[in-house]
Amino acid sequence: SQTIHQWPATLVQPVGSPLSLECTVEGTSNPNLYWYRQAAGRGLQLLFYSVGIGQISSEVPQNLSASRPQDRQFILSSKKLLLSDSGFYLCALVGQVNFYGYTFGSGTRLTVV
Amino acid sequence: AQSVTQLDSQVPVFEEAPVELRCNYSSSVSVYLFWYVQYPNQGLQLLLKYLSGSTLVKGINGFEAEFNKSQTSFHLRKPSVHISDTAEYFCAVSSSGSARQLTFGSGTQLTVLP
Repeated sequence: SQTIHQWPATLVQPVGSPLSLECTVEGTSNPNLYWYRQAAGRGLQLLFYSVGIGQISSEVPQNLSASRPQDRQFILSSKKLLLSDSGFYLCALVGQVNFYGYTFGSGTRLTVV
Repeated sequence: AQSVTQLDSQVPVFEEAPVELRCNYSSSVSVYLFWYVQYPNQGLQLLLKYLSGSTLVKGINGFEAEFNKSQTSFHLRKPSVHISDTAEYFCAVSSSGSARQLTFGSGTQLTVLP
């Protein structure tokens, strides 16, 4: 079965510092991959999605960027974090064979101080 | 374009009482519908899905949902809730011809009271 790994689980970073969150996938090839953010008390905001290596679509212009250097690796980055980047970040995948909805990672709680 | 409206942002209910979490969607084509549950500081877990066939869908943890095409609704129900059902619930829709994009509702916080 397809699984998705996210790390770290929690992260506290100072304003202006860089960020790198990684998501890796097992059990499927050529998945669609997604980065979502949840701000406190709010719903899911789609940040980026990728349909293949090197292919990134941005949904919301902001301080973040994403990359997909390998088929099963999806990275969320920032050069300089802002206070408003705090939130819960979730990676998700959809396999190519059948669409049965998203599989989500366990998330990263980012606090920018 | 598709959209999802979860009509209640918070639903408090007493333990062992029934609950219904409401979800309405809009889409110009055939849809797939989903309910996800999120416990604090965890990822989302699939509760149930409607892809085709029977409009009454049964999921995990005793939840079920009914697809109503005429009312464009997909309400989630449970006949008797437990304290452990306290969580955030998200409804989501995908057009069957889309590039596998889910659109999520804003979520409903279910709080089960003792």
